[in-house]
Amino acid sequence: NAGVTQTPKFRILKIGQSMTLQCTQDMNHNYMYWYRQDPGMGLKLIYYSVGAGITDKGEVPNGYNVSRSTTEDFPLRLELAAPSQTSVYFCASSYLSAGIKYQETQYFGPGTRLLVL
Amino acid sequence: QKEVEQNSGPLSVPEGAIASLNCTYSDRGSQSFFWYRQYSGKSPELIMSIYSNGDKEDGRFTAQLNKASQYVSLLIRDSQPSDSATYLCAVPGAGSYQLTFGKGTKLSVIP
Repeated sequence: NAGVTQTPKFRILKIGQSMTLQCTQDMNHNYMYWYRQDPGMGLKLIYYSVGAGITDKGEVPNGYNVSRSTTEDFPLRLELAAPSQTSVYFCASSYLSAGIKYQETQYFGPGTRLLVL
Repeated sequence: QKEVEQNSGPLSVPEGAIASLNCTYSDRGSQSFFWYRQYSGKSPELIMSIYSNGDKEDGRFTAQLNKASQYVSLLIRDSQPSDSATYLCAVPGAGSYQLTFGKGTKLSVIP
């Protein structure tokens, strides 16, 4: 199993450009997440998905969009890049059974470093 | 607003010593607690999870939970230079599957 994979590893964008960060997991996890991590800070949740076709906003969703058409893929779209979106982006996934009481382990991808100039 | 607080460090300990990392959280209803390790330039990886009050041991790592005090800690015994990393505390809110992460504590183990 490759686990959670992300592409690209690094990208430089100009202000106003758009791009899609790709995330794929091969663990048949139902939950997937996008986080951003700024230097010296913890991870902030951008969007998450509880299954194909279902997404919801996290703590910092402005400027981003997501879709989830399959269990495996959860791309993150930046429509009009701004310098404030310079960050490291992590995708994660986990499996939660219906009615489960506790959060389960989240597995992280290697991250995408994005620089907006 | 759910909050998870950690001392940012850096925390420096000599090789072989015990490193103690602390975390407090604001949501009294939180039921599960996680410690992630993040090496510089890498992604977080889970090292411990704890759900019940008391201690949980896994090798050199011990997680301690006190729900009444809203406090969770991680002890690393016989610290090694390879333990040098940032340790992130993560807590889901009550009834939530979303994790709130602390800013992390940077640990340096000095040979």
